Order: sequence, then C-alpha cells, then structure tokens
Amino acid sequence: AQSVTQPDIHITVSEGASLELRCNYSYGATPYLFWYVQSPGQGLQLLLKYFSGDTLVQGIKGFEAEFKRSQSSFNLRKPSVHWSDAAEYFCAVGARGFSGGYNKLIFGAGTRLAVHP
Amino acid sequence: DTAVSQTPKYLVTQMGNDKSIKCEQNLGHDTMYWYKQDSKKFLKIMFSYNNKELIINETVPNRFSPKSPDKAHLNLHINSLELGDSAVYFCASSQGSQETQYFGPGTRLLVL
Repeated sequence: AQSVTQPDIHITVSEGASLELRCNYSYGATPYLFWYVQSPGQGLQLLLKYFSGDTLVQGIKGFEAEFKRSQSSFNLRKPSVHWSDAAEYFCAVGARGFSGGYNKLIFGAGTRLAVHP
Repeated sequence: DTAVSQTPKYLVTQMGNDKSIKCEQNLGHDTMYWYKQDSKKFLKIMFSYNNKELIINETVPNRFSPKSPDKAHLNLHINSLELGDSAVYFCASSQGSQETQYFGPGTRLLVL
C-alpha cells in the first residue's frame, strides 16, 4: 500500500541553524513527490516537487529536497532557518492514476517546526 | 486574483444539519479535489473530479455529495452532520493528472 512516513512529529531549531525534515515513502513505482507547508490557520503552499530528472530539487524560500530511491526518502533541507519558517510541513506522494499521471496525494502526518530566536 | 477560493472560511453548525461548502478556481484547471484534515492535522483525499466527472471517491460516507457544475467549481454538500465531521476541508485543483495541485485556504467546520 502507498504510504508516507514523517518520523518527526515536532522539531525545534534555533534561528540560523540548518534544518532537515525526514520523509520516507512506500510506493511501487517511481513516485511523484511533494513538500507542502502550512502556516497556522492557513492553506497549503507548495514548496517543491520531484517528478523526474535531477534528484536534488530546489524550491521556494530557500528550501531544497533530495530524492534517494535506494532509501525511499525525500528529505527537505534548508541551510539557515528563519523565524518565519515556523509552520507545519507535509510530505506527499502522488499516487498514479488516470492519464499516466497521479490522481491523488497521499500525505504524511506532518512535522511541526518551531524556531527559537 | 485568488487562485483557489473556498466559502465559507468558517462554519459552525449543529448536529443533524445539512451544509454546503463551495470551491472555485480561476486557474483554468480541469481537475479538482476535496481533502479532509482532521484534528491531528492528517490530510486525506475525499473526492477528485476531472472535467466534471467523478474519478475518485475514497470510501467517504454517502452523506457527503460533491457536485461540479462546471470545471471551475466543485462544491461539497454534507447531509446530517455528525460530530466527527468537524475538520478543515481543503479544495485543490490541477491541470490534468500530471501537474501540481494548488490548494485553497480551507473551510473550518465545527459541528456542535
């Protein structure tokens, strides 16, 4: 069955420190992978996505993620965290469906990031 | 120039009532979705429509009935609301099945 695991429920980092949020997926084929961010009381904003090609993808707000097929992972990284990065982060896999693409997103449980000044 | 909009933003109602949530996208997309986010922030797909046709129904109770009057709108009607329906409901849209899904701001439903 398709699934996404985010092992860390809460992470706290100091402002300016580096960040890595973990994501592991279970999927039978080459996945479409996404990271979304949700600020308190807000909707979901796409940070970055991986469909194919270069396994290191760059996103908005200085985030990047690396797809590692051998580890079934798609970890999100940022070299220097800002206080405004405090939010909930969701990893998702696109489950394949009609037209050869994906027809739904399967989300992980999310990681809540707190940033200390 | 909101891309995906939902109304209302907040909805407080009594058990047993019937309510609707509306979603509109101005991105020209042909595929729309409803997701439910529970109190533990877990997000799960409910429905997906492509060109006004239902393509996904993820074992959602039949009290939930989506309706797509045109490609730009996907409404969600809920009959006989229950306490467990309290959640945040997100609408999303994409162009076909191979592009990014863009999410609306969510509708926070509280059933008392």
